[in-house]
Amino acid sequence: KQEVTQIPAALSVPEGENLVLNCSFTDSAIYNLQWFRQDPGKGLTSLLLIQSSQREQTSGRLNASLDKSSGRSTLYIAASQPGDSATYLCAIKANQAGTALIFGKGTTLSVSS
Amino acid sequence: ETGVTQSPTHLIKTRGQQVTLRCSSQSGHNTVSWYQQALGQGPQFIFQYYREEENGRGNFPPRFSGLQFPNYSSELNVNALELDDSALYLCASRRAGGLTGELFFGEGSRLTVL
Repeated sequence: KQEVTQIPAALSVPEGENLVLNCSFTDSAIYNLQWFRQDPGKGLTSLLLIQSSQREQTSGRLNASLDKSSGRSTLYIAASQPGDSATYLCAIKANQAGTALIFGKGTTLSVSS
Repeated sequence: ETGVTQSPTHLIKTRGQQVTLRCSSQSGHNTVSWYQQALGQGPQFIFQYYREEENGRGNFPPRFSGLQFPNYSSELNVNALELDDSALYLCASRRAGGLTGELFFGEGSRLTVL
């Protein structure tokens, strides 16, 4: 059974710092991995999607990497800003026709000015 | 803007009642799935609909049911509400034939059961 773990559960950093959020999964047989952002009480905003054949994806100040063999993904945020404060969730999709995304519990990031 | 809209945004029910939540997807998104997110937890998969038929279900009892309509809208129905059903309910849709499998989520419906 696939399990997704995100560490740390919460993180506080000063503005301008570079930071890394971690996501680990127990079964390396995945179709893709998606990182989401969630503001308090809101829905999920897709940030980056990495297919199982890819090693990384970049969008602006965000870079996500995937190492299937070790069951790990990282989300790197460069030059953090107060507007980056939110909960970041990673989710695994097992196969193309598959249904469920399996989510971690998220990392809540607070960036202070 | 994901093109996925949900209603209502908030609602309060009492234990034992029934609730219907609605979701409207973008044109061409023929796969819709529903998730339950309890406070402080990641979303949990409830079920998925493809071309108006359920084709995948998570570990939720039969009192959670759904419908998908030809106009890309869908419903989540929950009968005999329990206190633990209090959560944010998220709808997600996927493009027909989309190879990436990327899901687009709505803003959610916050259900409180008293």
